[in-house]
Order: sequence, then structure tokens, then C-alpha cells
Amino acid sequence: IAGITQAPTSQILAAGRRMTLRCTQDMRHNAMYWYRQDLGLGLRLIHYSNTAGTTGKGEVPDGYSVSRANTDDFPLTLASAVPSQTSVYFCASSVSGRNEQFFGPGTRLTVL
Amino acid sequence: DAKTTQPNSMESNEEEPVHLPCNHSTISGTDYIHWYRQLPSQGPEYVIHGLTSNVNNRMASLAIAEDRKSSTLILHRATLRDAAVYYCIPTPTPRGGSEKLVFGKGTKLTVNP
Repeated sequence: IAGITQAPTSQILAAGRRMTLRCTQDMRHNAMYWYRQDLGLGLRLIHYSNTAGTTGKGEVPDGYSVSRANTDDFPLTLASAVPSQTSVYFCASSVSGRNEQFFGPGTRLTVL
Repeated sequence: DAKTTQPNSMESNEEEPVHLPCNHSTISGTDYIHWYRQLPSQGPEYVIHGLTSNVNNRMASLAIAEDRKSSTLILHRATLRDAAVYYCIPTPTPRGGSEKLVFGKGTKLTVNP
């Protein structure tokens, strides 16, 4: 069982480019989340999804979009990347109604 | 969201017990207390959670104060692999959907060989 996988592991991106971070889980969890982690700021929630077909905004949603076409996948898209989006991005999932979240290994994104 | 206070850092020696404190004096009566940890260059990892009673699992024990304004994560015998940042996170009772975790800065635990 893989749990949660994220791709790519790391990426360097020119400002203004479009980028999609991929997240897949094989645990059939209903809920999925995207966080970003910046030095000194801890993890902050970007977007979440309670179940396939629904999404919601977290604490820092601006500049990001998500979709949840099925249970397993929850891609995060940066339509036009900016340097302030340089961060480590973590995807997570959980069973609906339970707070224990399972996190992926992260994607390190650098926007120049 | 309940505000939490944790020491910025703590040190321990290998094979010794570690007590990681957390103050959450504004916790709601129905909030669970979750602990996560983040090893270097990895995503956070669930450790344990509780509501009122002390809890034990294979990773750690959680001692919750009677007034629920503080809790302590106990690692009974620290190993080098336990070196991580530990986060104490009060979370609302799940209502069938997702509940967002609010991470603070946590406590960085260093384990000396």
C-alpha cells in the first residue's frame, strides 16, 4: 500500500508559468487537503475537499485552485506562479468524521 | 481555534523518557487534543489524540490535565528516530466532513546519542 504519493518531488519554475502538483491516495479516504509549509510559519491550509466533487478554501487559497474529480486524486494548480509561492507543499487525506490525517512526502517548489 | 503554547525546543538523551508539554487554555469543551510530529524532510505524522482520559498507543502516551487546559505527550524511551518537531493541535469534534488542522510552530525535539 503506497498511502499518499505526490509528484513531482521537487520543481523549479519560472514566474508566470502554470504548474499542477499531483496528489494520489489509495486509502479510499473521503477528505483530502493541501497545505504549504514555509520556514517559521508552520503548515497552512490552502484548499480541502470533503468528498469527490466538492472543494473548499482554506487559510491561504489565493493563487491556487483544486479539483476533485474522483476519490483518489486531488491536484493543486498554480495558474500563474509567483515567487511568494516558493514553498514545500503537502497533500493529506483522512476518513470523513475523523481528525487523523495522513500526509504525503511533499513537493518542494521554487518559483524564480 | 484554540491557541496553543509549546516550548520552541527540548533536548533528551537516547533511551530516556521525554515529556513534551502543551498549554491550550482556550480549548473548547468538545475539542480533541491531537499530536502530530514531523521528522526532517518528511510530512507530518499522526501520533496520538485524546479528549479527556489519558491515552496510550504504540508510539506514545498522552496525559491530559483534568481541566483540559494542558496536555503532555510522553515518549517513554526516546530514540534517535524520535527527533522531530512535535505539534499539539486542538481540533473540533468531527461532524462527518473534514476538520482542518491548524499547525502552530511546535516543539523541536533533539535526541542526543
